[in-house]
Amino acid sequence: EAEVAQSPRYKITEKSQAVAFWCDPISGHATLYWYRQILGQGPELLVQFQDESVVDDSQLPKDRFSAERLKGVDSTLKIQPAELGDSAMYLCASRIKLAGDNEQFFGPGTRLTVL
Amino acid sequence: AQSVTQLDSHVSVSEGTPVLLRCNYSSSYSPSLFWYVQHPNKGLQLLLKYTSAATLVKGINGFEAEFKKSETSFHLTKPSAHMSDAAEYFCVVSERNAGNMLTFGGGTRLMVKP
Repeated sequence: EAEVAQSPRYKITEKSQAVAFWCDPISGHATLYWYRQILGQGPELLVQFQDESVVDDSQLPKDRFSAERLKGVDSTLKIQPAELGDSAMYLCASRIKLAGDNEQFFGPGTRLTVL
Repeated sequence: AQSVTQLDSHVSVSEGTPVLLRCNYSSSYSPSLFWYVQHPNKGLQLLLKYTSAATLVKGINGFEAEFKKSETSFHLTKPSAHMSDAAEYFCVVSERNAGNMLTFGGGTRLMVKP
């Protein structure tokens, strides 16, 4: 069964360092999402891609966060510099297309700890 | 604007007894509603979804949910809890006019006692 892949699964870093997370969506899925899930809360959308274009990044803290999906397939989320409050689970999800009733499939996530 | 409220942050049941996880939503338009489950250190898995068809929705692992528009509720139930059901459960709302963006509730942690 096809799955969304994410790496690394766990990342520990010190504040002010740069970190990057990678996501490989299910093959053929045009829409890709990055979510942040703080411990004890539900996921919140950070950025949404349709192919290589950003559809919604209104909740992305652009002073330190960046996301790209250059070839419309896999995607990278970067934080520079990391802050203590960035400690969270970062989830990637994909779906076949933006419109219509089709399911979002989630990856296992990257758990970030900032010391 | 859409929002979701999960009324209980923690629910504890004994194995073999019924499960009820409560969810209320707010939506300006006819919403789609979902329940996702998250086991420790795992990604989110879709349990079931409502998309304007039958109001009683059956999902995987014996779970079901009923859409009640008059009460703006979408409670999740299961007749008999199993130890493997222990996890975090999220109620989620989506609106077509919001680009099908998912809005998650705060989650309910289900604990199952032997």
